[in-house]
Amino acid sequence: KNEVEQSPQNLTAQEGEFITINCSYSVGISALHWLQQHPGGGIVSLFMLSSGKKKHGRLIATINIQEKHSSLHITASHPRDSAVYICAVLANAGGTSYGKLTFGQGTILTVHP
Amino acid sequence: DAGVTQSPTHLIKTRGQHVTLRCSPISGHKSVSWYQQVLGQGPQFIFQYYEKEERGRGNFPDRFSARQFPNYSSELNVNALLLGDSALYLCASSLAWASSGSYNEQFFGPGTRLTVL
Repeated sequence: KNEVEQSPQNLTAQEGEFITINCSYSVGISALHWLQQHPGGGIVSLFMLSSGKKKHGRLIATINIQEKHSSLHITASHPRDSAVYICAVLANAGGTSYGKLTFGQGTILTVHP
Repeated sequence: DAGVTQSPTHLIKTRGQHVTLRCSPISGHKSVSWYQQVLGQGPQFIFQYYEKEERGRGNFPDRFSARQFPNYSSELNVNALLLGDSALYLCASSLAWASSGSYNEQFFGPGTRLTVL
């Protein structure tokens, strides 16, 4: 079992729909990243969070440390949101964390007009 | 300000050859991490360097090596290339090396796509 699991693996939506991508992890963490990757490869960091909730435009990220779970929500989805969304965690081992991100396998989102 | 830059953007090599990939971090960032992303999978951690010293290493063979220079730029070297080394190689920079519960956000470069024939 991977340390970071995302669901769903593939997601298709119509423009305007509300979208949720889930991330579960099995280790103690210092922080969690939500990343966006477009065809061609470049990765953009959307959020880094260690507790609570963050909002940026139509994107909302939440994390529940006790349940080891995070969600990424996209409101009023648009075709330009089509991309791979990746969850990555920074594990916290014995009070020390290092810059090694452990990634989920990604969620491929396609938004149709 | 320039973000993380990587060169080259694309590279084609044959089995057995050697390759060097380069990364320049965001100005002021002292830590560089390297990741390998095979098609269809999430990235895998290869190395992290901070202040020119290796601070972390993933589960990769000794054919993979890296170094960081005084200006904080970094090179990733792969010897004796195998077909399975074909991947997108990502570099990320951060202000410092995370320790004792602190963390610095990582910023990713565009990647180098390596194809081994």
